[in-house]
Amino acid sequence: QVQLQVSGPGLVKPSETLSLTCTVSGGSINNYYWSWIRQSAGRGLEWIGRVYSTGRTNYNPSLKTRVTMSVDTSKNQFSLRLNSVTAADTAVYYCARVKSSGNDNWGQGILVTVSS
Amino acid sequence: QSALTQPASVSGSPGQSITISCTGTSSDVGGYYYVSWYQQHPGQAPKLMIYDVSNRPSGVSSRFSGSKSGNTASLTISGLQAEDEADYYCSSYTTSSTLNWVFGGGTKVTVL
Repeated sequence: QVQLQVSGPGLVKPSETLSLTCTVSGGSINNYYWSWIRQSAGRGLEWIGRVYSTGRTNYNPSLKTRVTMSVDTSKNQFSLRLNSVTAADTAVYYCARVKSSGNDNWGQGILVTVSS
Repeated sequence: QSALTQPASVSGSPGQSITISCTGTSSDVGGYYYVSWYQQHPGQAPKLMIYDVSNRPSGVSSRFSGSKSGNTASLTISGLQAEDEADYYCSSYTTSSTLNWVFGGGTKVTVL
């Protein structure tokens, strides 16, 4: 069973960069798309984007100018960077594996708060 | 405001069947067979229940089924059980802009 573990700081200052890493265990990161999804009380679930194991990416148009996703196959990890954060970016951030039109394996989620 | 419209709440008694709707447009739900459904219990990550409109992942009970008609997708839970009480979200591929995936606002299912 594939397991995903999100790691990163839980507190980020406004205007700075949010950086998260998702480590995949129990399976290979190769030949899959991997998603980042966030959930906040005000905005519900929001798809941030996805990255393929080759590094190809697709981003939510509303976040595209601020988002970068990457993959490190040697470490079985993929990462999210979101720059110029504001309070509106406060949310629980999830990483997940893509299965066709769904996400079948999710990490436990990490609450990231944007505050000074 | 979410891109896909779901009822805020649905309730039913144990053993009954309930259906949750998810309404979009021809640019998302109506245009593609790329609709998925998630169950989320408090404090937990969402769990994939249905993908590609009507396919169940391995391990998901056959009491859960999905369908689509026009711009509306539906999730039906038959033989409702106490553990089915949770929030349910639909999601769809959309071409309203560039490649993107959108979610519904979620439906709280209460087992009476």
